Amino acid sequence: QVQLLQSGAEVKKPGASVTVSCRTSGYTFTGYYMHWVRQAPGQGLEWMGWINPHSGVTTYAQKFQDWVTMTRDTSTSTAYMELRSLKSDDTAVYYCASPQFSGSPWAFDIWGQGTMVTVSS
Amino acid sequence: QSALTQPRSVSGSPGQSVTISCTGTGSDVGGYNYVSWYQQHPGKAPKLMISDVSKRPSGVPDRFSGSKSGNTASLTISVLQAEDEADYYCCSYAGSYTAVFGGGTRLTVL
Repeated sequence: QVQLLQSGAEVKKPGASVTVSCRTSGYTFTGYYMHWVRQAPGQGLEWMGWINPHSGVTTYAQKFQDWVTMTRDTSTSTAYMELRSLKSDDTAVYYCASPQFSGSPWAFDIWGQGTMVTVSS
Repeated sequence: QSALTQPRSVSGSPGQSVTISCTGTGSDVGGYNYVSWYQQHPGKAPKLMISDVSKRPSGVPDRFSGSKSGNTASLTISVLQAEDEADYYCCSYAGSYTAVFGGGTRLTVL
């Protein structure tokens, strides 16, 4: 079945970078956009951006424009999200999510399990 | 891009109905029929409950329904059940291939 399997929890120091991976299975990786969403502890969901796995084209939320990079490896059907210059308020659970069966490009019906990123000195 | 506005909390008794609002602008909720709703239980990933304003994905009970009027979308849950207690988030396409979520609403089943 369709699955998005994310990498494990990370602990980083302020100023460092982190890369979260999202390995897919059960569907054609290049056929569906991949979005990234984060959730700080006790807070709401925040949309970060998406990547077209076929072309590699990305669109980022304006807030993240200068310090996030989304990439993909079609040979392993894996999407990546790199966040640079980490600050303490980047501490959050990061999710990959994809619109697969909803029939809508902006309705995310398949989600990864989430990756906790903790930024602490 | 500002987050869409949702009430922080709503509550209802089993069997009752509740409605959660999601207010945006003409540049997001009001401008497109791409509003979706998500249910999130503690420690879990969000689950899609409604897409494209009012479409219910396979497997979602018909107690959940969505609508939109102007810049405000709504999620109505009828015949409340204990398992409906969760956080609910709206999300809208916001133009230029971007999206925005609401701040979330905690539903308490009394």
